[in-house]
Amino acid sequence: KQEVTQIPAALSVPEGENLVLNCSFTDSAIYNLQWFRQDPGKGLTSLLLIQSSQREQTSGRLNASLDKSSGRSTLYIAASQPGDSATYLCAVGTTGSEKLVFGKGMKLTVNP
Amino acid sequence: EPEVTQTPSHQVTQMGQEVILRCVPISNHLYFYWYRQILGQKVEFLVSFYNNEISEKSEIFDDQFSVERPDGSNFTLKIRSTKLEDSAMYFCASSDRGNEQYFGPGTRLTVT
Repeated sequence: KQEVTQIPAALSVPEGENLVLNCSFTDSAIYNLQWFRQDPGKGLTSLLLIQSSQREQTSGRLNASLDKSSGRSTLYIAASQPGDSATYLCAVGTTGSEKLVFGKGMKLTVNP
Repeated sequence: EPEVTQTPSHQVTQMGQEVILRCVPISNHLYFYWYRQILGQKVEFLVSFYNNEISEKSEIFDDQFSVERPDGSNFTLKIRSTKLEDSAMYFCASSDRGNEQYFGPGTRLTVT
């Protein structure tokens, strides 16, 4: 059974810092991994999708990497801004299943 | 940019009542999903739907739940006899060829 873990659960940083958010998963037989952003009381906004054959994906200040063999993904946020404050969720699509399995998320606060 | 929409945004119902949550997936997508998030907990998969039938469901998706695509645009989740523990945010998602999933803003269901 796929389990997804995100540590730490919360992070508070000053504006301008470069950040690394971690995600680990137990079953390396994945077909993709998605990073989402969730604002309080809101839906999930897809940030990046990494296919199992890829090592990384970039979008603007965001860069996500994937290491299937070690069961890890990282989301790198460059030059953080207060508007980046949100909960970041990692979700894994496992081979043979259509569902995404989510981590509990990491609540990020970027202070001006 | 195309997006998934959900109605209502908030639904309050009494225990034992039936509710129908509605979703309009992105128009050219073929795969549809329902997830839920109980307050403070992980996003959990409920069901996936493709080619007018359920393709996968979780243990949560028992006989009190059903899904339907009544026409070419809507996708609904029905809860037959609501329980207090059904209170959660319910998210609809859709994808093209079962790949990147796009989520709607959610319906907050409160069962009293």
